[in-house]
Amino acid sequence: DSGVTQTPKHLITATGQRVTLRCSPRSGDLSVYWYQQSLDQGLQFLIQYYNGEERAKGNILERFSAQQFPDLHSELNLSSLELGDSALYFCASSVPGRDNEQFFGPGTRLTVL
Amino acid sequence: SQQGEEDPQALSIQEGENATMNCSYKTSINNLQWYRQNSGRGLVHLILIRSNEREKHSGRLRVTLDTSKKSSSLLITASRAADTASYFCATDAKSSGDKLTFGTGTRLAVRP
Repeated sequence: DSGVTQTPKHLITATGQRVTLRCSPRSGDLSVYWYQQSLDQGLQFLIQYYNGEERAKGNILERFSAQQFPDLHSELNLSSLELGDSALYFCASSVPGRDNEQFFGPGTRLTVL
Repeated sequence: SQQGEEDPQALSIQEGENATMNCSYKTSINNLQWYRQNSGRGLVHLILIRSNEREKHSGRLRVTLDTSKKSSSLLITASRAADTASYFCATDAKSSGDKLTFGTGTRLAVRP
């Protein structure tokens, strides 16, 4: 158990819908990262938040957005869902100054029908 | 895009044998991390090796890093059926902030 929690574990929804994925980082970790794992793209970085502020963006679609709240939990919002958005979405967290050692949550498996 | 390429893509060995996986990357890095993933589940952090380190051990795991060749290897000794999983290397590139760039992974099957 990495100490990073993600909810829900599974999500099945229809095209065009909007979903919210939630992540709670390990105690003391200020950085939260979101990654997407799909069969065709592999593991890809989406976005990073540090202590409530967006720090870095990767290949995140405009239909996707995220935020980190004062209690440091983070949410990833996916809207206007398409079939190709079906993937495993991981959240990771890290401690500043610890070599960027990132610990991953169990993931949310999103299926868009 | 995937910075890392892992080799082999798949590996099947007998319990008790050693398993070696290789990872190559393209840019200068701060460190390289190895993760294990069991059958589409979460990523488990195995080991981190800094760019100024050449070798690191953790239990049955041995990681080497050759920054001149931009490559790393993960050796699992005395493998067990429970080691069956996919293994990924992830690089923390100097030019890319804190994001990790993952390799394509090696699928390891350990036969009992």
